[in-house]
Amino acid sequence: AQSVTQLDSQVPVFEEAPVELRCNYSSSVSVYLFWYVQYPNQGLQLLLKYLSGSTLVESINGFEAEFNKSQTSFHLRKPSVHISDTAEYFCAVRPSSGYSTLTFGKGTMLLVSP
Amino acid sequence: DTGVSQNPRHKITKRGQNVTFRCDPISEHNRLYWYRQTLGQGPEFLTYFQNEAQLEKSRLLSDRFSAERPKGSFSTLEIQRTEQGDSAMYLCASSSTGVNTEAFFGQGTRLTVV
Repeated sequence: AQSVTQLDSQVPVFEEAPVELRCNYSSSVSVYLFWYVQYPNQGLQLLLKYLSGSTLVESINGFEAEFNKSQTSFHLRKPSVHISDTAEYFCAVRPSSGYSTLTFGKGTMLLVSP
Repeated sequence: DTGVSQNPRHKITKRGQNVTFRCDPISEHNRLYWYRQTLGQGPEFLTYFQNEAQLEKSRLLSDRFSAERPKGSFSTLEIQRTEQGDSAMYLCASSSTGVNTEAFFGQGTRLTVV
């Protein structure tokens, strides 16, 4: 079984400041890792994913996440946030072999203020 | 194809009534998933279909819940004798076959039981 811990339920930050949303996972098998974003009253949108290869993955809107196997972490970062980044962010894992569904963390609400 | 579609977007029902939600996946996707998301929590897996076969059900799916996917296309999720604890966002996702494929989510159906 897998589990995901998002250490911060809420992260307030000022516009143009850097931000890091933390994600740690637990699994007895190799996993794929994902970050999803959810805007109010909307479904989830995939932000970025780590499947294999380079441990640093990037999204098209400036977010990046780094897979750290030794620390079992997949923290999400952005060097300069915008008001429009205000949303809930979910970290998720799935075993990399065979079939299984996604296991999500409880989410981190990113609140960007001017 | 505009992605995963869910109807209705919102549903308010009285306790004890039955409700049914519909999900239309991305047309070429043969896997379909239902998740439930309560306030302050990440999505929790309910059930999974590959084509028309329901291959996995979570213990969260009580006997009041039933899901179908006739002909392997759209899916319905029915809740009988609704309870206030059923109030949640119900999310549908679909994906194609393959280990490293991602799941695409619909916008969800928000159920309020009064």
